[in-house]
Amino acid sequence: DGGITQSPKYLFRKEGQNVTLSCEQNLNHDAMYWYRQDPGQGLRLIYYSQIVNDFQKGDIAEGYSVSREKKESFPLTVTSAQKNPTAFYLCASRLAGGRSNEQFFGPGTRLTVL
Amino acid sequence: AQSVTQLGSHVSVSEGALVLLRCNYSSSVPPYLFWYVQYPNQGLQLLLKYTSAATLVKGINGFEAEFKKSETSFHLTKPSAHMSDAAEYFCAVSSTGGTSYGKLTFGQGTILTVHP
Repeated sequence: DGGITQSPKYLFRKEGQNVTLSCEQNLNHDAMYWYRQDPGQGLRLIYYSQIVNDFQKGDIAEGYSVSREKKESFPLTVTSAQKNPTAFYLCASRLAGGRSNEQFFGPGTRLTVL
Repeated sequence: AQSVTQLGSHVSVSEGALVLLRCNYSSSVPPYLFWYVQYPNQGLQLLLKYTSAATLVKGINGFEAEFKKSETSFHLTKPSAHMSDAAEYFCAVSSTGGTSYGKLTFGQGTILTVHP
């Protein structure tokens, strides 16, 4: 079955450590997205990528980094520069070609900084 | 720039009652609009989308939404609530062009509670 996988589901990190969240899709989608979700704030876009080897900052990119070396993979690194990283992180993908194409979401990773 | 406002962060209904979740949007061009549902600790699932065809859109699980251009609204309804409808619902609008083509702007979300 096609879909989006995120790993791990739960992640704990000590302050000052970098951590990388995995996102893989086998839908053959061109575009991929990373969102951060906090209670009462909806989803906020961190980074997105329309094609391989290209990505753009979203609304809250500070303290995060990404890479897009393969079409199916879009890992997110939460760096020690991110001041409040505890949140639920969602990855999504979209088939390019029309802005009516919906985004498909992974199951999410809950990051907790201890 | 586009934006979405969901009126009411929490909505509570009785089982069997009408569900109405409100969404208003702002867009400088004809929008594409989406409703997603999220169950606790899970990702988002698409309920329905408006893509400039019929203004009344039917989705999964008995939900539907009506696009009203004059009111800039896209409210989500279901005639009879079920306990399994309890979740958080997000309205979103799609961006139009440039490098942000296809990017979604989300509302703050509405938590739906269904009482027996």
